[in-house]
Amino acid sequence: EAEVAQSPRYKITEKSQAVAFWCDPISGHATLYWYRQILGQGPELLVQFQDESVVDDSQLPKDRFSAERLKGVDSTLKIQPAELGDSAMYLCASSLALAGATDTQYFGPGTRLTVL
Amino acid sequence: GENVEQHPSTLSVQEGDSAVIKCTYSDSASNYFPWYKQELGKRPQLIIDIRSNVGEKKDQRIAVTLNKTAKHFSLHITETQPEDSAVYFCAATSGSSASKIIFGSGTRLSIRP
Repeated sequence: EAEVAQSPRYKITEKSQAVAFWCDPISGHATLYWYRQILGQGPELLVQFQDESVVDDSQLPKDRFSAERLKGVDSTLKIQPAELGDSAMYLCASSLALAGATDTQYFGPGTRLTVL
Repeated sequence: GENVEQHPSTLSVQEGDSAVIKCTYSDSASNYFPWYKQELGKRPQLIIDIRSNVGEKKDQRIAVTLNKTAKHFSLHITETQPEDSAVYFCAATSGSSASKIIFGSGTRLSIRP
């Protein structure tokens, strides 16, 4: 069964450093999501792509976070500079549905970020 | 703004008993309500979902009910087993975008042997 892949699984960094996370969605899934999950809370959407275009980045802290999906397949989320409050699980999900339509979102295993 | 509230935050039940988790949503335009299970250290996985044109859906020991008038929906797990121990998240689609879902804060379910 196809799954969403993410790497790295764990990342420890010092504040003010740059970090990057990678996600490979299920093949053929047009929509890709990046979520942040703080311990004890539900996932919070950071950015949504349809193919290579950003559909929603209203909750992305754009002064330090950036995301791209250049060829409409895999995606990278970057934080520069990292802050202590960025420590969280970063989850990627993908869906067959196009923006504006509803379908199951399949999640990757996540990247657990610790900022020291 | 759009909001999904989930209760309780923790729930402990005896093995074999039933567990119920409740959620409310704020946007009357929400039309899709998935439930995800997240075991420790693992990815969230969809366990059941319901659309707004249906009042109840069952899948073996799991059922979900939806009351659109009251804007609340619930997850029911019967004959609980140790492997049901996990964190459960409810979610609802955003009224402004059907492909965006808003998650509740989660319920940590523990099954006592």
